[in-house]
Amino acid sequence: DAGVIQSPRHEVTEMGQEVTLRCKPISGHNSLFWYRQTMMRGLELLIYFNNNVPIDDSGMPEDRFSAKMPNASFSTLKIQPSEPRDSAVYFCASSSQYEQYFGPGTRLTVT
Amino acid sequence: GNSVTQMEGPVTLSEEAFLTINCTYTATGYPSLFWYVQYPGEGLQLLLKATKADDKGSNKGFEATYRKETTSFHLEKGSVQVSDSAVYFCAPIENTGNQFYFGTGTSLTVIP
Repeated sequence: DAGVIQSPRHEVTEMGQEVTLRCKPISGHNSLFWYRQTMMRGLELLIYFNNNVPIDDSGMPEDRFSAKMPNASFSTLKIQPSEPRDSAVYFCASSSQYEQYFGPGTRLTVT
Repeated sequence: GNSVTQMEGPVTLSEEAFLTINCTYTATGYPSLFWYVQYPGEGLQLLLKATKADDKGSNKGFEATYRKETTSFHLEKGSVQVSDSAVYFCAPIENTGNQFYFGTGTSLTVIP
């Protein structure tokens, strides 16, 4: 298995632009998680899905952030418009029971 | 709600030193307990886990014992190596759900 796949691995964009991060979970996993990691705030859970349905989005910082999971093999996290304070590493993780498997992350830099 | 408190870092040790990273948690139920490790530039990966009281999880020379009476899951290794330099996260998860509560992470640097 290829593990959790995230793209792009690095993204540099200007303030105000739309950013879309992508995730392909491990086949057969029914839960998917989006995290954000910064030096200041550590690892934060943004949103998680169970069977493609958003269960808890209380960690989404504001309306500029949105996440979708149109099917069991794909999810997106969108930021529009992006701001410099959104610069972070964004991780996607999937699980079938309790153990979560993390992707390599997308390093986002907003200038 | 659930929460987890981890020993603050950064921790710097010499090679072959003994390592302890403390972790205590609060939970409304009976969680499973996990330690994750994050190597530089990578995502988190499972290091070890324990699912019930007095269970000991172990992997790569690391160990942690599920202590229900003290609600703790301290990570230990008898002799650290330079390759153990990473950030370590403690995480309880309730058996009724699958949402993790990660600790703040403890950065470990092992010097030759």
